[in-house]
Amino acid sequence: EAQVTQNPRYLITVTGKKLTVTCSQNMNHEYMSWYRQDPGLGLRQIYYSMNVEVTDKGDVPEGYKVSRKEKRNFPLILESPSPNQTSLYFCASATGRWNEQFFGPGTRLTVL
Amino acid sequence: AQSVAQPEDQVNVAEGNPLTVKCTYSVSGNPYLFWYVQYPNRGLQFLLKYITGDNLVKGSYGFEAEFNKSQTSFHLKKPSALVSDSALYFCAVRDQGNTGKLIFGQGTTLQVKP
Repeated sequence: EAQVTQNPRYLITVTGKKLTVTCSQNMNHEYMSWYRQDPGLGLRQIYYSMNVEVTDKGDVPEGYKVSRKEKRNFPLILESPSPNQTSLYFCASATGRWNEQFFGPGTRLTVL
Repeated sequence: AQSVAQPEDQVNVAEGNPLTVKCTYSVSGNPYLFWYVQYPNRGLQFLLKYITGDNLVKGSYGFEAEFNKSQTSFHLKKPSALVSDSALYFCAVRDQGNTGKLIFGQGTTLQVKP
């Protein structure tokens, strides 16, 4: 089944404790992206990647890092999480940046 | 700046009645428009898109959307609503730059009552 998977689905952590949210797609998509969803703000792009080893900042990149060492994986790294990063995170992928994006199931992160 | 507006936080319809979820956009140039649906505790699912061509776009689960350039609107419609259509609906426009990002509206909660 073609899909985007994210792990973990739910995470509660404390301020300053490094964490990684994994994202993997099995559709051989070149384009991948991370969004965060907050009430009243819709979804906002954090980082995106056009292809392996090509990443760039979205609208809200502060406090996040990403890497794209393999085509299928696009992990989101929070080096020192803070409470304002409590949010619902979505990974998405597409065949190219102009095509419809397929979203993962989301990761609900709470930073205490 | 590019933007998408969904003027209604919530839309309530009775099962079997037609539904409309409104969306207006503001972009320079030709818009690439999308509708997504989000069910509770699930990711966003693609419903349909408008790139070019026919102004009436048909999508998944019996949904369709009408692109109106003069009114800068892209309203989502369905002739006969189902209770299972109850969900959060997002309209989005592709950013005109090179980021590939989707610019989302705030979302509209659709409640279909039996």
